[in-house]
Amino acid sequence: GGIITQTPKFLIGQEGQKLTLKCQQNFNHDTMYWYRQDSGKGLRLIYYSITENDLQKGDLSEGYDASREKKSSFSLTVTSAQKNEMAVFLCASSITGGPYEQYFGPGTRLTVL
Amino acid sequence: TQTVSQSDAHVTVFEGDSVELRCNYSYGGSIYLSWYIQHHGHGLQFLLKYYSGNPVVQGVNGFEAEFSKSDSSFHLRKASVHWSDSAVYFCAVRGRGNNRIFFGDGTQLVVKP
Repeated sequence: GGIITQTPKFLIGQEGQKLTLKCQQNFNHDTMYWYRQDSGKGLRLIYYSITENDLQKGDLSEGYDASREKKSSFSLTVTSAQKNEMAVFLCASSITGGPYEQYFGPGTRLTVL
Repeated sequence: TQTVSQSDAHVTVFEGDSVELRCNYSYGGSIYLSWYIQHHGHGLQFLLKYYSGNPVVQGVNGFEAEFSKSDSSFHLRKASVHWSDSAVYFCAVRGRGNNRIFFGDGTQLVVKP
């Protein structure tokens, strides 16, 4: 079996600050995803990547940058944190194409003061 | 445009009851359908999927789902729920050849003792 690790688990930032979230997977999956989940809500896709150095925008990419430095890692940057923002950011990975499920990390909880 | 609709935001049942969580989708092509579960404070976990063959698919912990092309539905069922089934359940659809998965908004299932 494999695992997805997200760091940090909790992230507290200040308004206007640039914040980076990291995700590592050892499934050897080609495709990785970043989602935002607001309290009590569903998932919104921010970015995904189907291979190293590839980036595809999701529905919520404005205000975020992403980087797929290598196959096993996918980083997300909040370019300018918004005051009172609170959300959980979930990373996932999957085999590319086919009827394959996504595997999720435990999430990073962001709070902006 | 792909949409996934989960008509019930909240469902409350008693332990031992049967439950059905509803999912309807709109997608113009061949698809894969799946259900995920999210316990409080955790990432999503895959439950089951349908992509061809028998429209009734079995998942973990006694869950099953039935695909209906005529109704554009993929409802999740369990014959006898346990308190540990309390969680948020997400229905998801993925087009064949597409790397994106579209999630519904989730149904919060509360199982009372």
